[in-house]
Amino acid sequence: DVKVTQSSRYLVKRTGEKVFLECVQDMDHENMFWYRQDPGLGLRLIYFSYDVKMKEKGDIPEGYSVSREKKERFSLILESASTNQTSMYLCASTSGTGYTFGSGTRLTVV
Amino acid sequence: AQTVTQSQPEMSVQEAETVTLSCTYDTSESDYYLFWYKQPPSRQMILVIRQEAYKQQNATENRFSVNFQKAAKSFSLKISDSQLGDAAMYFCAYRTPPMNRDDKIIFGKGTRLHILP
Repeated sequence: DVKVTQSSRYLVKRTGEKVFLECVQDMDHENMFWYRQDPGLGLRLIYFSYDVKMKEKGDIPEGYSVSREKKERFSLILESASTNQTSMYLCASTSGTGYTFGSGTRLTVV
Repeated sequence: AQTVTQSQPEMSVQEAETVTLSCTYDTSESDYYLFWYKQPPSRQMILVIRQEAYKQQNATENRFSVNFQKAAKSFSLKISDSQLGDAAMYFCAYRTPPMNRDDKIIFGKGTRLHILP
């Protein structure tokens, strides 16, 4: 069964900490995505990548960066976490047919 | 830029009844995909149904069907014989033309569906 795995289901971090959210897919997909989900706002695209070492800004990239050193892994980085980054983060991947989503990381910044 | 609008933040339906969730979108493209995703409390996004813009025939998956009106840029989801397991957040989504380098999905804000026993 194909999978997108997010390393943590729940995470609590302190303001100012550097935070890494990891996403791994086992489907050899080229494209990977990070979304942020907030009540009443739906899913908003933060960053996406269509190849190793390539990245593109989505709609809300401010305060985030990404890393894709290997095809299967796409990391979202919060350089200095802030309370307004408390949210649900969803990773997804696609090869041009269907999208597959991870089960999300609920991040709380205190 | 493409946008997806879901005008109903919440809806309720009696078990075994039929409910329709609304979605409109805006794009200048002629070729694209539209989706309805379901997100239950488990948070896993589940694809409910998908429609290719070039197909005139409305997609159907068991109790789920869509009314795709390309000229009106409307894409509603009809759930027939509603079941308790249908309770979830439903997202309408638009996908940029397939196989483009900037292939991505744009989501609406979601409709929370409650099923009343």
